[in-house]
Amino acid sequence: NAGVTQTPKFQVLKTGQSMTLQCAQDMNHEYMSWYRQDPGMGLRLIHYSVGAGITDQGEVPNGYNVSRSTTEDFPLRLLSAAPSQTSVYFCASSYSSSRTHGYTFGSGTRLTVV
Amino acid sequence: AQSVTQLGSHVSVSEGALVLLRCNYSSSVPPYLFWYVQYPNQGLQLLLKYTTGATLVKGINGFEAEFKKSETSFHLTKPSAHMSDAAEYFCAVIRRGDSSYKLIFGSGTRLLVRP
Repeated sequence: NAGVTQTPKFQVLKTGQSMTLQCAQDMNHEYMSWYRQDPGMGLRLIHYSVGAGITDQGEVPNGYNVSRSTTEDFPLRLLSAAPSQTSVYFCASSYSSSRTHGYTFGSGTRLTVV
Repeated sequence: AQSVTQLGSHVSVSEGALVLLRCNYSSSVPPYLFWYVQYPNQGLQLLLKYTTGATLVKGINGFEAEFKKSETSFHLTKPSAHMSDAAEYFCAVIRRGDSSYKLIFGSGTRLLVRP
């Protein structure tokens, strides 16, 4: 049981480049989400999905796109990377967005934009 | 909207001493509260959660937290710190959105354990 798998673990991009951060879970979780972690700011919600074909914006969605074509996968796309997007990105999933369920987190992707 | 505030970005204790990490919440409805721990270069792991029922919640690794409505607090404690407890700890609350719930985090508290 792999849980939540994020790839790559590390990435360096040049300003303006695009890339996709991958997230996959094998727990048949309906709910998936992306967070970014910056020093002193905790984790901030970027986008989330309550099921295949359904996505919505979180607190800091600008500069990021998502889609959810399958239950298992929830990729995060940076269309034109900016230095302000340098951060550690975490994907999380849960059985549902219900208040009582805890979330399972991936190990993170450390992204540097130069 | 529901939110949490963690008091103290860094806390330092001696090994064997009491650990107290503070979290206060803001919510107009009964909150659902969580504590997560992040060890260096790892993802977040659920320590404990409060949903309904008993206000004293026990979690993994000897940690516990007490929900106090009168103080709007959900502080995390451990009677005796161990070196392996050194990590960053996050308090979080479930916020209700238009179509679902969202997990909203505090800014985190880094725990240092001195030998």
